[in-house]
Amino acid sequence: SQQGEEDPQALSIQEGENATMNCSYKTSINNLQWYRQNSGRGLVHLILIRSNEREKHSGRLRVTLDTSKKSSSLLITASRAADTASYFCASTDSWGKLQFGAGTQVVVTP
Amino acid sequence: KAGVTQTPRYLIKTRGQQVTLSCSPISGHRSVSWYQQTPGQGLQFLFEYFSETQRNKGNFPGRFSGRQFSNSRSEMNVSTLELGDSALYLCASSSGSEQYFGPGTRLTVT
Repeated sequence: SQQGEEDPQALSIQEGENATMNCSYKTSINNLQWYRQNSGRGLVHLILIRSNEREKHSGRLRVTLDTSKKSSSLLITASRAADTASYFCASTDSWGKLQFGAGTQVVVTP
Repeated sequence: KAGVTQTPRYLIKTRGQQVTLSCSPISGHRSVSWYQQTPGQGLQFLFEYFSETQRNKGNFPGRFSGRQFSNSRSEMNVSTLELGDSALYLCASSSGSEQYFGPGTRLTVT
């Protein structure tokens, strides 16, 4: 079974719009990471946020973490067609195990 | 630096056979983790090896095994293949919290 749930399961937006996806997890974590996967290929690491951080930015990405609600969100601003992919959150527990969410499929149309 | 490589990229096997997948981590990375990705179960953690020792293990039957060599290369083996073992098998190497994924091996069991 997977650690968390992601919402929405799928998202379709137009280029230039922002995309927001949410992730919830179940156990205490050391950090939470977001990954991108293009069409059944390997995962690409996007950003890591530690349990003592609340917000982090990287380029067009903004991640928030609320440990009291055991949830995180990923915002992609000014989306591009190349952002079309599946996005996964992954929480790292105290044993160092990475538990992935179910993923959000994002489609960005020109 | 070269990325994580996995061989073979595609594989078709018959029920009851066994299979060995290989993963070469990024140079200098001592941790290698394996994941199974299926449409129904998503990304599930199989096991992690660090310095030739299994450090973490997921909830998979004993038919799934792995090992790591002194050069950090890792192999995973699945014996007595079942139809449900059809999946994308991803390997990731790390030197800290961030994991770098290979392109995966697509295994189809017929």
